[in-house]
Amino acid sequence: ELKVEQNPLFLSMQEGKNYTIYCNYSTTSDRLYWYRQDPGKSLESLFVLLSNGAVKQEGRLMASLDTKARLSTLHITAAVHDLSATYFCAVDGDDMRFGAGTRLTVKP
Amino acid sequence: EAQVTQNPRYLITVTGKKLTVTCSQNMNHEYMSWYRQDPGLGLRQIYYSMNVEVTDKGDVPEGYKVSRKEKRNFPLILESPSPNQTSLYFCASSLYAGQSYGYTFGSGTRLTVV
Repeated sequence: ELKVEQNPLFLSMQEGKNYTIYCNYSTTSDRLYWYRQDPGKSLESLFVLLSNGAVKQEGRLMASLDTKARLSTLHITAAVHDLSATYFCAVDGDDMRFGAGTRLTVKP
Repeated sequence: EAQVTQNPRYLITVTGKKLTVTCSQNMNHEYMSWYRQDPGLGLRQIYYSMNVEVTDKGDVPEGYKVSRKEKRNFPLILESPSPNQTSLYFCASSLYAGQSYGYTFGSGTRLTVV
């Protein structure tokens, strides 16, 4: 059974700092997704990573995928308050399996 | 506008009273899925459908039913709701299962069963 683990589950950081969210998964897959969810809102697709070594960047967020290590990272550079949200990774096996989410709070 | 539409957004009901949450997509997607979101558990799949008249159980199907009589609609039915089904529900769709664009999610339905 595919398991997806994210850490940390909660992250409080100051504006301007860098941090990384980790997503580990248990079985072979070469399709990994990152989503963002704002409080009370739906999930919005951020990145789709489709192969080993894939790297995608959008603004202050950069996602990467290492299929051999079964690990994806979401790196935040120089955080700003607008990035406060919950971030989910999801791995495509027989179905889409989600991590528990990382609630990010960026403080001034 | 391409979207997944769920209704209602909020619903409070009593134990045992049958309810249906509707989900409709206008993108001609073949794959549709229902998830529930609970704090600390992420999203867990309830049921999914690969195409019309093809449905299958996800991780947490107990207490739920679905149907897929036409491509655009995928309603979630709770025949006899119980308080442990209080949750935030999302419908999602994609062109095909496992296709490389991820899912499009509906706005969510917050269900409270008292």
